Amino acid sequence: SQELEQSPQSLIVQEGKNLTINCTSSKTLYGLYWYKQKYGEGLIFLMMLQKGGEEKSHEKITAKLDEKKQQSSLHITASQPSHAGIYLCGADTLNRDDKIIFGKGTRLHILP
Amino acid sequence: DAGVTQSPTHLIKTRGQQVTLRCSPKSGHDTVSWYQQALGQGPQFIFQYYEEEERQRGNFPDRFSGHQFPNYSSELNVNALLLGDSALYLCASSPTGGGNTIYFGEGSWLTVV
Repeated sequence: SQELEQSPQSLIVQEGKNLTINCTSSKTLYGLYWYKQKYGEGLIFLMMLQKGGEEKSHEKITAKLDEKKQQSSLHITASQPSHAGIYLCGADTLNRDDKIIFGKGTRLHILP
Repeated sequence: DAGVTQSPTHLIKTRGQQVTLRCSPKSGHDTVSWYQQALGQGPQFIFQYYEEEERQRGNFPDRFSGHQFPNYSSELNVNALLLGDSALYLCASSPTGGGNTIYFGEGSWLTVV
């Protein structure tokens, strides 16, 4: 079965600094989702990447999909307190049936 | 346009009891999936409903069952609750066809004591 590994598990960053979160899949990626979650709350959709080399941006957050490496990275530029939370990557399956396999998440803390 | 809505937001049950959680999908979405998220973990897929039938299922026991109504809303039922069932239960909806943006609700926090 497919597994997603996120790194780092936890990250503490000074406000204004840049940061990167990685998501590596054990199998071929057919679609990769990034979500943000505040503690105890629902998932907020950030981006979906479907093609190798695809790169998308949303405000100060950019995500890229490297199909060959079976990996995606999420980059935040000039981090703000509002960026704090849990970032989850999720992979769509070969059948593209909207069943998502999630990683365990990366917990991001922003120091003022 | 309301997104995915879930109820209740929080509930406490005793071991052995049964619980029903409810979900209304985003307007225009006909596929509903349920996930369980334990503390410190990523969400785990429970099952998915489409056209009022369970289309696929994750690795969860038969104590977990569901239903989808003609208006696409859905229920998740858990029987014979165990302490380990304590988790955040998330509902997700999407339009049929695959490769779509999948939207999640705020979740229902279940505590089993």
